[in-house]
Amino acid sequence: QVQLQASGPGLVKPSQTLSLTCTVSGGSINSGSYFWSWIRQPAGKGLEWIGRVYTSGNTNYNPSLKSRVTISVDTSKNQFSLKLSSVTAADTAVYYCAREVDYFDSSGYFQHIDYWGQGTLVTVSS
Amino acid sequence: DIQMTQSPSTLSASVGDRVTVTCRPSESINSWLAWYQHKQGKAPKLLIYKASTLESGVPSRFSGSGSGTEFTLTISSLQPDDFATYYCQQYISFPWTFGQGTKVEIK
Repeated sequence: QVQLQASGPGLVKPSQTLSLTCTVSGGSINSGSYFWSWIRQPAGKGLEWIGRVYTSGNTNYNPSLKSRVTISVDTSKNQFSLKLSSVTAADTAVYYCAREVDYFDSSGYFQHIDYWGQGTLVTVSS
Repeated sequence: DIQMTQSPSTLSASVGDRVTVTCRPSESINSWLAWYQHKQGKAPKLLIYKASTLESGVPSRFSGSGSGTEFTLTISSLQPDDFATYYCQQYISFPWTFGQGTKVEIK
């Protein structure tokens, strides 16, 4: 069974870049048709999808964060990463990495999240 | 963005109760909806996708229904392991969006 584990600094200073890595175990990041995603949840608030990367390197981002986000994949390490620049206190959240499975339906191709990691808290504070 | 409205936000129920959670997207999403269960400190878990398809390994007491702009998640007989927060999510158009969550508490 695939497992995802996010890791990175738990504290980031305002205006700096938040960097997280998700390590995938229990399967190759390159096998099958999957997208690799980041989602976050500020304390007391809802879940926000940040974006995703395909193993080809193709990405999709949430327009609300697009100018500050970079998601990339390193297939040799079975990892994918999130960088969020110019952070403020509003970026304090639990960050989750996840897998989206790609499948074909008569209406086209669709993806839903089938596995999530546990999440890692990132606090933005000086 | 498609807004996902879940209700209720909190639900108090007893073991054995039938529980229903509702999710209403701000526009039609056909059947492109998933439900997740989340327990504090753990990874969220996929329960249902495409509105009504049970994920492998998920107990049959969970079921999903609906299409378009109204969806429901039903737990037919609440078990102790089911006390958690439940989220709906649409995946018809970017950005994917989630409901605010429904916390199922012990009555």
